[in-house]
Amino acid sequence: AQSVTQLDSHVSVSEGTPVLLRCNYSSSYSPSLFWYVQHPNKGLQLLLKYTSAATLVKGINGFEAEFKKSETSFHLTKPSAHMSDAAEYFCVVNSGGYQKVTFGTGTKLQVIP
Amino acid sequence: GAVVSQHPSWVICKSGTSVKIECRSLDFQATTMFWYRQFPKQSLMLMATSNEGSKATYEQGVEKDKFLINHASLTLSTLTVTSAHPEDSSFYICSARDGTAYEQYFGPGTRLTVT
Repeated sequence: AQSVTQLDSHVSVSEGTPVLLRCNYSSSYSPSLFWYVQHPNKGLQLLLKYTSAATLVKGINGFEAEFKKSETSFHLTKPSAHMSDAAEYFCVVNSGGYQKVTFGTGTKLQVIP
Repeated sequence: GAVVSQHPSWVICKSGTSVKIECRSLDFQATTMFWYRQFPKQSLMLMATSNEGSKATYEQGVEKDKFLINHASLTLSTLTVTSAHPEDSSFYICSARDGTAYEQYFGPGTRLTVT
């Protein structure tokens, strides 16, 4: 069984300040974890993924995430928010090659000028 | 990188008609494709999983006779919403996976509005 919890449904930050979007997971196996971004009325874009290699994963647009097995977390961070980062972010877990993925409920990021 | 396309990107239809949405993997063979539905301001909910050449597996609560899925080739899956009603209005997203790869590649989505 697998599940993913995004702890915040809405996060608001000022432009130029750090971003932290939290994600905790549950998995019976060694999981793969993903972060996707969705802009309004658009499809999903992969930001980054963890697949049992380095625990600190760097993605596109300056985002990164750290896989912490002891804390079952995979939080998404960015040092400095940009207005274009305003979007919905989904944390996704996959516990095995043929398993279905499970989506978190999403975190809406608002960036204040 | 792997690209998945959907057609149409948006469609408006009248209640009672049927609508077909196509999902194509453009540069890889998709042994498995998934169909998701996303209501406004909500997460994606898996509707069904389809493997090339076999019947789709539907999630609990999804009417298989209403949402017909055909995965006729390794690059094409279709979702047909039959006898559409306004409550079927939603954003439909497909994804495709190549073999045992962990990653799914998502299409851009199709916005369906039933009037």
